Amino acid sequence: AQRVTQPEKLLSVFKGAPVELKCNYSYSGSPELFWYVQYSRQRLQLLLRHISRESIKGFTADLNKGETSFHLKKPFAQEEDSAMYYCALRGGSQGNLIFGKGTKLSVKP
Amino acid sequence: IAGITQAPTSQILAAGRRMTLRCTQDMRHNAMYWYRQDLGLGLRLIHYSNTAGTTGKGEVPDGYSVSRANTDDFPLTLASAVPSQTSVYFCASSDSTQGAPYFGPGTRLTVL
Repeated sequence: AQRVTQPEKLLSVFKGAPVELKCNYSYSGSPELFWYVQYSRQRLQLLLRHISRESIKGFTADLNKGETSFHLKKPFAQEEDSAMYYCALRGGSQGNLIFGKGTKLSVKP
Repeated sequence: IAGITQAPTSQILAAGRRMTLRCTQDMRHNAMYWYRQDLGLGLRLIHYSNTAGTTGKGEVPDGYSVSRANTDDFPLTLASAVPSQTSVYFCASSDSTQGAPYFGPGTRLTVL
């Protein structure tokens, strides 16, 4: 079955600390993965997609096919990073995105 | 308008009433989607449309219907609302089925 798992509902760190938001997936084919961010009561915004290999707002994510993971990392968290983060997998017969349940990141001063 | 808009922003609805959530994009995107967002459940796909004139069912389609008469508009209709349809509804679009969806601002719906 195609599935995205974000094991942490809430992650709380202090400003300046490293952040890692975990994402594991289950997919039989060649996966395409995304990270979206949602600031308080706003729309979801695309943060990263693995095929572009970009670094946005200091965040990076590497696809690890052996561990079936796509963890989101940032070396030094900022208060403005506080938001809900969703990992998503392109799957299904129509290629729609399958989302994880999300991790709420709280960065404390 | 620029991007993707949704209306209304929020709505309180009596159970049993019919409701249509509107979604319009001006990016000429071919694919459009409706998701619902619920606490602890993340986003779940309700319906999608890969191109004007076609629609498909997502993960949680029951109680909802959609139409795609043209490229820009993708309305979502609740024929007879029930309290379990209380949620935040997000419309999204992408230039193709391989593109990354761009999301609208959402509609917060409460069914009493």
